[in-house]
Order: sequence, then structure tokens, then C-alpha cells
Amino acid sequence: ETGVTQTPRHLVMGMTNKKSLKCEQHLGHNAMYWYKQSAKKPLELMFVYNFKEQTENNSVPSRFSPECPNSSHLFLHLHTLQPEDSALYLCASSPRDRGSIQPQHFGDGTRLSIL
Amino acid sequence: SQQGEEDPQALSIQEGENATMNCSYKTSINNLQWYRQNSGRGLVHLILIRSNEREKHSGRLRVTLDTSKKSSSLLITASRAADTASYFCATDAAGYSTLTFGKGTMLLVSP
Repeated sequence: ETGVTQTPRHLVMGMTNKKSLKCEQHLGHNAMYWYKQSAKKPLELMFVYNFKEQTENNSVPSRFSPECPNSSHLFLHLHTLQPEDSALYLCASSPRDRGSIQPQHFGDGTRLSIL
Repeated sequence: SQQGEEDPQALSIQEGENATMNCSYKTSINNLQWYRQNSGRGLVHLILIRSNEREKHSGRLRVTLDTSKKSSSLLITASRAADTASYFCATDAAGYSTLTFGKGTMLLVSP
């Protein structure tokens, strides 16, 4: 139990569907992250939220839309995805420290498959 | 461009042997972190070493950092089958507020 819970664990969707990924952290952290992990590629940072405010958008296509209603919850809304978007989507959280990056705590991810 | 890069890409050893993985990076860093990922799971933080530190230990893990060579190594001593996983280094580049991960080293420890 890492303190970061992601649902669903697996998701299969068609290119025209709309779905959402959910992440919840019980660690009292104030920074949350979405990453994309594809085979044979480094982990790609997608979005960062600090104290509910988006502070990083790493040139992510608009078909991915994040939402952070509070410091404990993070969503990733998906619509009209492409086959190349099939990947493991990981959520992470960490304490916010202006001096340096603190260790991040990851959920077990959502395995997304686009048909 | 990719900041951290692990070497080797894959490593296969027997239980009881030591495993060494290396990480090279390109720009100045504040700190370097190592993570482990078991198949089908998220990443788990192992150890953080700051740019002014040269060596750090945690249980069977030993991490070294050479900022002049822009490289780090992770040594797992007396490996166990349960150490089978992918290992990633992540750098916190000076002037940036996010971590950059490498592609990882896949470690297989056979009983």
C-alpha cells in the first residue's frame, strides 16, 4: 500500500469514447503528477499540480484534460484518443519543497488500451 | 533531451551475487533518486543522494554519485529473487522543478 490509489487498474476504450482516470492520495502531500509510461521509453511527465494549481503541462495533446479539485484528488479526462496513447498512466504525489524535488510516491497505474 | 540514462538495459544474475547499475546524466543536478518498479506495479522510491554527497547506504543498497563524471551507480548486495524488477534513476536538474527519469535497467535474479 503506497498511499496513492488509482482507478481503474485497466481500461479498454474506443477512439471515440470519453473516460476518466482517478487518483487519490492519503499522504497529505500537496503536489500531484500524471506520467505516461510506454514500452522502451523513459517515463514521460504529463502534468504537475501544486496546491491544486497546474504548474506544468509538458506539451500534452488537448485530448488529455487534467483536473485537480483538491490536493488529495487528481483526474485525467480522456476523449478521442489515438492508438499511440495506449500505455500505463501513473499518478504520483510528493511534498512540495522549493529547494529540491522530494521523493515521489506512485500509484500502481491504469493500463489503458485504445482499440 | 533525456537526462538520465541507465546502463545496462538488462542484467541477469544468480541469487547471492551483487548487481550494479549505472546512470549517466547531462546537466547539473540538485539531487539524484533511484526507484524500483515491479512488473505491473508503480514505482517505489529507494534512495535519494544530494549533489554534495558522494555515497549513501540503505540496507543492501549502496549508491554513489560522481558529479564530475555526471554519473551514479546503484549496487545491490547479496541479491534475492525478490529484487527482480526494473530500476530507474531520476534527476532533479538545477533550475527545474520536475524529475526526469531514464529508461531503466531490468534486473532478473534467478534462484
